[in-house]
This record gives sequence, C-alpha cells and structure tokens, in this order.
Amino acid sequence: DAGVIQSPRHEVTEMGQEVTLRCKPISGHDYLFWYRQTMMRGLELLIYFNNNVPIDDSGMPEDRFSAKMPNASFSTLKIQPSEPRDSAVYFCASTTRGVRQGAWSYGYTFGSGTRLTVV
Amino acid sequence: QQQVKQSPQSLIVQKGGISIINCAYENTAFDYFPWYQQFPGKGPALLIAIRPDVSEKKEGRFTISFNKSAKQFSLHIMDSQPGDSATYFCAASRRNTDKLIFGTGTRLQVFP
Repeated sequence: DAGVIQSPRHEVTEMGQEVTLRCKPISGHDYLFWYRQTMMRGLELLIYFNNNVPIDDSGMPEDRFSAKMPNASFSTLKIQPSEPRDSAVYFCASTTRGVRQGAWSYGYTFGSGTRLTVV
Repeated sequence: QQQVKQSPQSLIVQKGGISIINCAYENTAFDYFPWYQQFPGKGPALLIAIRPDVSEKKEGRFTISFNKSAKQFSLHIMDSQPGDSATYFCAASRRNTDKLIFGTGTRLQVFP
C-alpha cells in the first residue's frame, strides 16, 4: 500500500486566493482526519469523516475553511479566501476500527503533509 | 477537559541515556493513550499505545508508564540513540469517539 497520499507537498499562494488540498486515504480505511500543525498550536484536529460523512467539524477555524469527501478514496480541504495566518502544515490521516485491530487499539496513518505558505 | 498537556517542549539527551516525556490529562473518559513519533518532513507515526487497565507497556526500548489516579502517562526511551531524534506527541481519545487529542509535542535531540 502506498499509504496516505497528499497533494501538493508544498503550496505557496497569495493572500485572498483559493487553496485546495487533496488527500487519498488508505484503501479500506473508513475514517479520515484533517489536522493542521503549527509551532504555536501543535497538531489541531480540523474535521473528521466516517464513511465519507463529516462527523465533527468543530475544529474548522471559520467559514473560510471547508472540507468534502465525495467518495471513500478522496477528500479535499479548501480555504477561500486564504490569509497569511493559515500558513501551516496540513496533514490528512486515515484509520479503521476493524475487528482485527480491536475496538480501541487502532492507529492513525498520516500522510506526509502539505506545507502551505500564504504571502 | 479536552486538553492533553505535554512536557518538556524540548529535550537533549546523550547517546545511551534515558529520555522521559510526560503527559497529563483531565478527562477521565479518555481510555486510549498513544504516542506518535514525527521526523522532519514526515507525518506522525504511531509508536506505542496503552489503555488504562495496565500500568506499563514495553516495546523494545520504548516504555509507556501510566498512572490512572494521577491522570498522567509518560514515555521512556531507554538507551537513547541519535536515530531517536524526532518530535514526540502524546495523545488521548475516548473509546466511543474516534478523534485523537494531541499534546503539543516534545522535540528530542540525542547527541552521540
């Protein structure tokens, strides 16, 4: 398996532009998470999906952020309009709570992240 | 209640020494406590995890110690190696939810 695939790896954009980050989870994983990492705030959960349905979006900073999961193999995180304070590394992670792993002993598989710089 | 507090922010250890990272939580409903390791330019990766019905779990040089009454858990890295230099995150979640709450991270540097 190629793991969780994120694109692009790096994105530099001007303030006010729309930014779209992409994620392909591991096949068979039914949970998908979007995290943001900054030096000041560490790893923040933005939103997560179960079976393509958004379950908890309480971490989405504001209406400028939106996320979709149109099918089990693809998710997007969109920022419109982007601002310099959105500069961060955005991670996508996936997991499953299959019987083989047990009810609790699961781990997240993270992608390599997208480093976003808004100038 | 949702926070997981992690310390120290950074740690410098000599090769062969013991690295200790501590975490504390408030929410008694948390019942899963993993540790993640992150190398530069990579996403975090699961290192080791524990649940509150045991006080210790060991995997190779890595040990989690768990103190349920104090609501604290820690990661011990024995015989620390330069290859262990990374950022370490503790985390917690409740069984009936699936979201992990991460600590703020500890940057470990192991010098030869």
